[in-house]
Amino acid sequence: AQTVTQSQPEMSVQEAETVTLSCTYDTSESDYYLFWYKQPPSRQMILVIRQEAYKQQNATENRFSVNFQKAAKSFSLKISDSQLGDAAMYFCAYRSVRGSGNTGKLIFGQGTTLQVKP
Amino acid sequence: GAGVSQTPSNKVTEKGKYVELRCDPISGHTALYWYRQSLGQGPEFLIYFQGTGAADDSGLPNDRFFAVRPEGSVSTLKIQRTERGDSAVYLCASSSTGGVIGELFFGEGSRLTVL
Repeated sequence: AQTVTQSQPEMSVQEAETVTLSCTYDTSESDYYLFWYKQPPSRQMILVIRQEAYKQQNATENRFSVNFQKAAKSFSLKISDSQLGDAAMYFCAYRSVRGSGNTGKLIFGQGTTLQVKP
Repeated sequence: GAGVSQTPSNKVTEKGKYVELRCDPISGHTALYWYRQSLGQGPEFLIYFQGTGAADDSGLPNDRFFAVRPEGSVSTLKIQRTERGDSAVYLCASSSTGGVIGELFFGEGSRLTVL
C-alpha cells in the first residue's frame, strides 16, 4: 500500500520570502501522480500543483514549484515570494494510475500548517 | 451549481443518533468521492461512486457507515449509531472522469460533532 509522509507539522515564512515544504512517499508503482493541495480555514481543498511521475521536468505554477526526486521518493513544494494569502494547511497527495478498477482516489499526508508573517 | 455543495456545514448530534450528510457535485461530474478528515490530519478515503454505483467502498470504517447516490448526482453519507470517534470533517469531491486525469473538486465539508 502507498503511504505519504509530511514530517513538518508547522512551518513559518516571512512575507515575500521563500519556503519549502517537504513530502516523502512510499510506493512500488512506477507510474503515478503527485499533488499539493492547499486547505484554508474554509476547509475547501484547492489544487496547487500536480506532477506526473513519468515526467522528469519539475512542475511549476506561477510562484509554486516542486522538486520531484523519483528515486528518493521525495516531492517538495517551494513557494516563492510568499504572500499573506498563502497561509493555510498544505497537503501532499498520491494517486495511482494502474490497475483495473483504478478509482483515482487520493492518498494524503498529514499536512503542514504554513504561517506567513507580515 | 458552480462548485461542490455540502450540507449541513456543521452538525452537532448526540452519541447513538443517526446522521445524514449531503453532497451535491458539480453538474455532469460522474465520479464522486467521500473523505473523512479528523482534526489535524489529512483526509482519508471512504468511498467512490462512478455514476450510481459504489465502485470502491474499501474506506468505510464499519457497517455503521453507508452512502448512496441513487440518481448519479447527489450523494448522501449515512452514519448510524454515531460514536464520539465519528467526529470529523466529512469532505466530498467530484470529478468529470473518475480516472487519473480528472481533477478532483472539493466541497467545504460537513463538520460533524458527536457529543
